[in-house]
Amino acid sequence: EVQLVESGGGLVQAGGSLRLSCVASGFTFSDYYMDWVRQASGKGLEWVGRVRNKANGETTEYAASVKDRFIVSRDDSRNSLYLQMNSLRTEDTAVYYCVRSPSVTYLLDVWGQGTTVTVFS
Amino acid sequence: DIQLTQSPSFLSASVGDRVTITCRASQGIGSSLAWFQQEPGKAPKLLIYPASTLRSGVPSSFSGSGSGTEFTLTISSLQPEDFANYYCQQVKNYPITFGQGTRLEIK
Repeated sequence: EVQLVESGGGLVQAGGSLRLSCVASGFTFSDYYMDWVRQASGKGLEWVGRVRNKANGETTEYAASVKDRFIVSRDDSRNSLYLQMNSLRTEDTAVYYCVRSPSVTYLLDVWGQGTTVTVFS
Repeated sequence: DIQLTQSPSFLSASVGDRVTITCRASQGIGSSLAWFQQEPGKAPKLLIYPASTLRSGVPSSFSGSGSGTEFTLTISSLQPEDFANYYCQQVKNYPITFGQGTRLEIK
């Protein structure tokens, strides 16, 4: 069964940092691009960032709202995806989803259950 | 950025009804559109990609159509489990963008 399991969410003060993790199973992790998408309570979906696979240089892309504050990375040996969040703001409060993306597309085909990040001032 | 505008934002319907949700893109995206269903408290689930192709396991009561800038998601006969939020997403270009969502509620 294809599965993505996020962890690392919690409460953090504005200006602080937090690192989210996502462990993948049931598929060849190294073949896929991986993304983070977030959703504030009662709001819509917002794409956060992605990391391509090793074959495509593990390059990254970010939404303008998080660029220069968040870093997406991966460790294929651990089937793991990470989101390092720095300089957190109250508006970063959301459920963060780890999402699989077939390479060379922007399709988001498998989602984790999400982990909640709350930033307080 | 490609903007996606969904309509309506809120839809009230009864079991057995046929409903249609529209997603309009700010520029042409061919068939590079996906539709998601999100039940309360759960992660989004991919229903349709590209614009008119149902994913495996999705009931045939769901259908998608459109290309270019206008797309529709139709549910031909609503079942109790279909009452959820629905989102479109463009798969064409960076940055990934979503429609604002349509909340489908039981009348």
